[in-house]
Amino acid sequence: AQSVTQLGSHVSVSEGALVLLRCNYSSSVPPYLFWYVQYPNQGLQLLLKYTTGATLVKGINGFEAEFKKSETSFHLTKPSAHMSDAAEYFCAVSDRSRAYGQNFVFGPGTRLSVLP
Amino acid sequence: SQTIHQWPATLVQPVGSPLSLECTVEGTSNPNLYWYRQAAGRGLQLLFYSVGIGQISSEVPQNLSASRPQDRQFILSSKKLLLSDSGFYLCAWSVSAVLQETQYFGPGTRLLVL
Repeated sequence: AQSVTQLGSHVSVSEGALVLLRCNYSSSVPPYLFWYVQYPNQGLQLLLKYTTGATLVKGINGFEAEFKKSETSFHLTKPSAHMSDAAEYFCAVSDRSRAYGQNFVFGPGTRLSVLP
Repeated sequence: SQTIHQWPATLVQPVGSPLSLECTVEGTSNPNLYWYRQAAGRGLQLLFYSVGIGQISSEVPQNLSASRPQDRQFILSSKKLLLSDSGFYLCAWSVSAVLQETQYFGPGTRLLVL
């Protein structure tokens, strides 16, 4: 069965510092991988996704993530944190070998705090 | 472009009362639809998904039910709410023609059961 782990339920960085949010997955087939962001009392917004092709994926708001098959990882980074980046971030994996509804698995989330 | 709506945005209900949350999608046809619950400080739990009108699959046994009376309408219901039903409910859709496509989320409904 597929699963997603996010190391660190809460990450704090200073404004202007590097943001690194970790995501590791397990999947029986090459997965599709996603990062979503959730601001307080809002729905989830897609940041970026990897399906096939280039392993370094660029998303909105200056975020990017790199798919590393050998490490089964899809870590999210941003060179310089901004106060507006404070939110909850969810990694998700989609397993193409499984049926609808059973294939999209979310990690537990990482809350990012940005300190002035 | 596609948009997804949920209402109400916030709801406070007494224990034992009924529930009806609505989700509608615009700008697409025959979407896959999903209901998730997010308890305080926790991740997302898939409750129901639907691949077509009248087709509902439940992921976890619970006090809730779902219906899809129209192609782009997805309703979450309960006959008698429990305290444990409190949470943030999210509706999502994805393209049906492409397996495992991206899920897009609505703004959510915050439910507080007292």
